[in-house]
Amino acid sequence: QSALTQPPSASGSPGQSVTISCTGTSSDVGGYNSVSWYQQHPGKAPKLMIYEVSKWPSGVPDRFSGSKSGNTASLTVSGLQAEDEADYYCSSYAGSNNLVFGGGTKLTVL
Amino acid sequence: EVQLLESGGGLVQPGGSLRLSCAASGFIFSNYGMSWVRQAPGKGLEWVSTIPGSGGWTSYADSVKGRFTMSRDNSKNTVYLQMNSLRVEDTAVYYCAKDSSGWSRDYWGQGTLVTVSS
Repeated sequence: QSALTQPPSASGSPGQSVTISCTGTSSDVGGYNSVSWYQQHPGKAPKLMIYEVSKWPSGVPDRFSGSKSGNTASLTVSGLQAEDEADYYCSSYAGSNNLVFGGGTKLTVL
Repeated sequence: EVQLLESGGGLVQPGGSLRLSCAASGFIFSNYGMSWVRQAPGKGLEWVSTIPGSGGWTSYADSVKGRFTMSRDNSKNTVYLQMNSLRVEDTAVYYCAKDSSGWSRDYWGQGTLVTVSS
């Protein structure tokens, strides 16, 4: 149950695109299409942004998109807005009814 | 509207016990798995435990296995987390979350703070 690897920080200017990576192994990210992404503003509960690698929950803008290649999943935020500044976490099913999260990435909108 | 309301957090000494509760509403509770996820101060999210809608099994992170027990009462729309042999490193905000497709969690409570300190 090792945590998935995310960059500690990412940044971009309003209107730009930024991509956050999430690297695991063939036992988690690479082995299942069960990667999710969460947004968390300070002092708030996490919010589901992407599930099953690239699907959007109701109400999430399509500026947020997800993908996966091998053992690495990615979240791309297009058309950055000030309210996108938050912490982002990936998670993946890791087999045997276990879940693993990434360490989180702080997204700064410059 | 889906609502999850955690309770039971507080200050406890190392080695002590605490029971968290999460009352759910706004969905057919017995149809969905539920999970506990924690977040230590200033740190990232850590999955703690999951139980399916039937309550037929439970799974735990290695860090809490043998010390924590998750259960549910579908007649009360409530899940519980019994935490024994608490350690300083268990200090965290504990979130209750509703399970959804692909092992995602689509609704989260506001969390309850557990502080383990002497």
